[in-house]
Amino acid sequence: EVQLAESGGDLIQPGGSLRLSCAASGFTVSSDFMSWVRQAPGKGLEWVSIIYPNGATYYPESLKGRFTISRDNSRNTLYLQMNNLRAEDTAVYFCARSDKPNLGDYWGQGTLVTVSS
Amino acid sequence: EIVLTQTPATLSLSPGERATLSCRASQGVSHYLAWYQQKPGQAPRLLIYNAANRATGIPARFSASGSGTDFTLTISSLEPEDFAVYYCQQGSHWPTFGQGTKVEIK
Repeated sequence: EVQLAESGGDLIQPGGSLRLSCAASGFTVSSDFMSWVRQAPGKGLEWVSIIYPNGATYYPESLKGRFTISRDNSRNTLYLQMNNLRAEDTAVYFCARSDKPNLGDYWGQGTLVTVSS
Repeated sequence: EIVLTQTPATLSLSPGERATLSCRASQGVSHYLAWYQQKPGQAPRLLIYNAANRATGIPARFSASGSGTDFTLTISSLEPEDFAVYYCQQGSHWPTFGQGTKVEIK
């Protein structure tokens, strides 16, 4: 059974850094397309980053340089390193997997990141 | 960025009724359009991918169609568990979502 479990969300001050983790089971993260998607409180969904099976990574222009997606194949875990955090980064962050690019067929339950002083 | 516009914003219906949700893209996305269902406090759930293909385990009352810029999700007969927010998402370019349609109980 495919399962995804995010962790690492926290209350962090503006300008701070945070690393989110997504532990996967039931499949291999290095074999699939893995993504981070976020949802600000009461708002819609926003795709944050994608890592392909070949290791290529992609971000929207608005987040390039601040966010980095990576994976640890030995731990079967996906990560999102977030730097220079801003109030507008406050959101629930979901990890998602798919066997196709730009899609999420299994999702974790999310982890809350709050950026506030 | 491709903008997806969903209509209506809210759909008020009774169980057993038919729901028709629309999604329009600001430019053509071919068949790279997905639909998700989200309930409060839960992650999105994939319903449809590639415009018309039901995801694993999705009931047959969910169907979808469209290509290019205009897409439709239809729920043939609403069950109590179908009242939720529905998002369309394009995967033709950098993935983006529509703003959502809330299907609420009338």
